[in-house]
Amino acid sequence: AQSVTQLGSHVSVSEGALVLLRCNYSSSVPPYLFWYVQYPNQGLQLLLKYTTGATLVKGINGFEAEFKKSETSFHLTKPSAHMSDAAEYFCAVSEGGGSEKLVFGKGMKLTVNP
Amino acid sequence: DGGITQSPKYLFRKEGQNVTLSCEQNLNHDAMYWYRQDPGQGLRLIYYSQIVNDFQKGDIAEGYSVSREKKESFPLTVTSAQKNPTAFYLCASSITGTSSHEQYFGPGTRLTVT
Repeated sequence: AQSVTQLGSHVSVSEGALVLLRCNYSSSVPPYLFWYVQYPNQGLQLLLKYTTGATLVKGINGFEAEFKKSETSFHLTKPSAHMSDAAEYFCAVSEGGGSEKLVFGKGMKLTVNP
Repeated sequence: DGGITQSPKYLFRKEGQNVTLSCEQNLNHDAMYWYRQDPGQGLRLIYYSQIVNDFQKGDIAEGYSVSREKKESFPLTVTSAQKNPTAFYLCASSITGTSSHEQYFGPGTRLTVT
């Protein structure tokens, strides 16, 4: 069965610093991978996704992620954090096998300090 | 504007009462989903539906019920059998039959049961 691991639950960075949020997945089929962002008391918004093709994926708000099959990873990065990036971030993998379902990680809360 | 609406944003109920959460989408998506979100636990799938008049249990269906009489609507009833119903509930939808698997989320309903 597919699974997603986001180690830790909280990360804190200074404004202007690199943001790195880690995601490792387990999948028995070629995965579709997603990063979503959630601001307090709101729904989830898609940041970026990997389906096929280029392994470096660019998303909204300056975020990008690289699919590394050998490491079963899909880490999310942003070169310079902004205060508005403070939110919770979820990594997800498609269940595969014809299913439309996604399996989500437990989330990572990002705090950006001035 | 196309999107998913959930109402109400906040809902308060007494223990022992059933309560129904509304989810409507005008994206013409076939698939719809209900998730429950608790702090530190990520998103857990309650029910999903890939087509009108058909739905399947997710990972935590006990104490919940759904219906899918119209493509646009997927209401969730939290019954008195749900032991710990206080949570943030998210509805989502997606296109079926494509390689995308991307889910679009509503703004959520925060349910408090006392």
